[in-house]
Amino acid sequence: SQTIHQWPATLVQPVGSPLSLECTVEGTSNPNLYWYRQAAGRGLQLLFYSVGIGQISSEVPQNLSASRPQDRQFILSSKKLLLSDSGFYLCAWRRVFNEQFFGPGTRLTVL
Amino acid sequence: EDQVTQSPEALRLQEGESSSLNCSYTVSGLRGLFWYRQDPGKGPEFLFTLYSAGEEKEKERLKATLTKKESFLHITAPKPEDSATYLCAVTSNSGYALNFGKGTSLLVTP
Repeated sequence: SQTIHQWPATLVQPVGSPLSLECTVEGTSNPNLYWYRQAAGRGLQLLFYSVGIGQISSEVPQNLSASRPQDRQFILSSKKLLLSDSGFYLCAWRRVFNEQFFGPGTRLTVL
Repeated sequence: EDQVTQSPEALRLQEGESSSLNCSYTVSGLRGLFWYRQDPGKGPEFLFTLYSAGEEKEKERLKATLTKKESFLHITAPKPEDSATYLCAVTSNSGYALNFGKGTSLLVTP
């Protein structure tokens, strides 16, 4: 069966510091991968998606970036965090018929 | 642009009191409508996919239905463990993304 992992589970970072969140998927090959952000009182916002190694599409302009160095690894990064980057970050992978399955999430607080 | 609106924002039910959650959508070419359950501090858990008007799916106390403009998630005789936020999302011919509503927060009291 397929499993999706995210780490860290929680993170508290100062404004201006760098960020690296990691997502890995087990039990499938060549998945479509997604990064979402969920802010309080708002719906899930798609940030990036990837259909393959090195292929990244950005949905929302921001100071975040994503990379896919391996088939089942997806990384979300920032060089300098802003207060507005606080939120719950979710990684997801897509199976056939567009169903997406989510990881456990990372709670990021920027102070 | 695809739009998804969920109502009510919050719902409080007594255990055993059946009700329905609504998801209204506007898309250009619906490819699928999805229901998820999200517990506090956790990632959304997939429940159902619906593809065409008239389709229905059931899982335990939950039943999802779809029309050309909206979907309903019916909860029959809910239990406290059904308390969660229920999210609706759509995908259309415009792309890969799931477009989510803001969710309905359900609280079932004993």
